[in-house]
Parts: sequence; C-alpha cells; structure tokens
Amino acid sequence: DTGVSQDPRHKITKRGQNVTFRCDPISEHNRLYWYRQTLGQGPEFLTYFQNEAQLEKSRLLSDRFSAERPKGSFSTLEIQRTEQGDSAMYLCASNSGREQPQHFGDGTRLSIL
Amino acid sequence: QKEVEQDPGPLSVPEGAIVSLNCTYSNSAFQYFMWYRQYSRKGPELLMYTYSSGNKEDGRFTAQVDKSSKYISLFIRDSQPSDSATYLCAMKRGAGGTSYGKLTFGQGTILTVHP
Repeated sequence: DTGVSQDPRHKITKRGQNVTFRCDPISEHNRLYWYRQTLGQGPEFLTYFQNEAQLEKSRLLSDRFSAERPKGSFSTLEIQRTEQGDSAMYLCASNSGREQPQHFGDGTRLSIL
Repeated sequence: QKEVEQDPGPLSVPEGAIVSLNCTYSNSAFQYFMWYRQYSRKGPELLMYTYSSGNKEDGRFTAQVDKSSKYISLFIRDSQPSDSATYLCAMKRGAGGTSYGKLTFGQGTILTVHP
C-alpha cells in the first residue's frame, strides 16, 4: 500500500529560478489538493483537482504559480521566478470523495537562497 | 481574525499524563473536523475524523466536537514520548456551495512528552 508520494523532498534554488514539484496520489484517489505550510503555521490551501480538472484555486496562488494534472494521475506544481517568500513546505493530499479524509505526502521543502 | 484558532503552545507534559488540545472556529458552515499529527519534516498524518457534533474514541485518543460552542478537542490518554509532535486541527464545509472539500487548519500545537 503506497501513500501519497512527493518529489523531490527538498529543493534548494536561487531567487529568480523556476522550480517544479511532483505529486503522485494514492492510486484510486481522483481528488488531489496542494497546500503550502510555512514554519510554525498550519497548511494553507492552494489548489484542487478532480481528475484532470483544476476546480478551485486560492488567492494565494499568484500568477507565478501553475499546477497541472494532465492525465488525472500525478500532478505538478511549478513556481516561476521564485521569491524569498516562496520558501515553505509544499504538501500534496488526495482522497477518493468529497466526504473522505485527505491523506498527505511528506511534502517538498523549498529553500530560496 | 482567523477562521480556526489553535493555541500554539508549546505544551510539555510528563509521560502518562492526559493531554488536552483544543481549537475554536468561527465558520458555522464547517461540518467535518479532523486532527492530524505532524512529526518534524514529515507530512500531516490523520488521527481522527469526525462529522458534526459528538465524541469519537480510537485507542488512547478521543475527539470531541461541540458545534454549538464552535469548539473541538483532542484528548490523549497515557501519553508517550512517541506522541511528541505538532498536532493540527482541520475542518471543512459540508456538501453544497462551491467548496470542494478544502481543509482549513489551525496553527498547530507543539507537544512534548518527557519520560
């Protein structure tokens, strides 16, 4: 039984560079969520996919952020022109239905130099 | 004002103590309530998942929801050093509207159980 998998676990990059993270949800889960967590805070919702459709985006998701789930399986989150304030843990979660609990991966920790 | 308020602690207790963790919220549309445990550099791990008001017990853990007071609690009995972690409360709306089930989290409470 594999849980939610995220890659890479840690990404260090210079300010202004582009970065891309990948999330592989639990195989039978058609719903996928991205969250961002900064130090000492709880996760904050970024965006939601049902199958390949992106159905909800937070105001936190500026135009430098883009997320995709092209075949309704894995998802990618790209940040363009990274800024210091983008340093955070990026978490992915999935579930099989609206009323089902969300299960999280171990996140990608982004550090901006 | 945040939709979900959680005392960040830190909370330090001796092994074997009963731990009480709490969250308050302001949005009456929240219908589902969760507690997650998060170890350092790991993702949140689901502990308890409840719908509407009432109590739910699972081993040493008991979750309580009082919707009339907009207040939820997690009790940990016979606490162990391995329970040392950050505990996050989370909530989501019920069916209907444009919400697709996104979670709203509290800030998290850091718990240390010392031997």
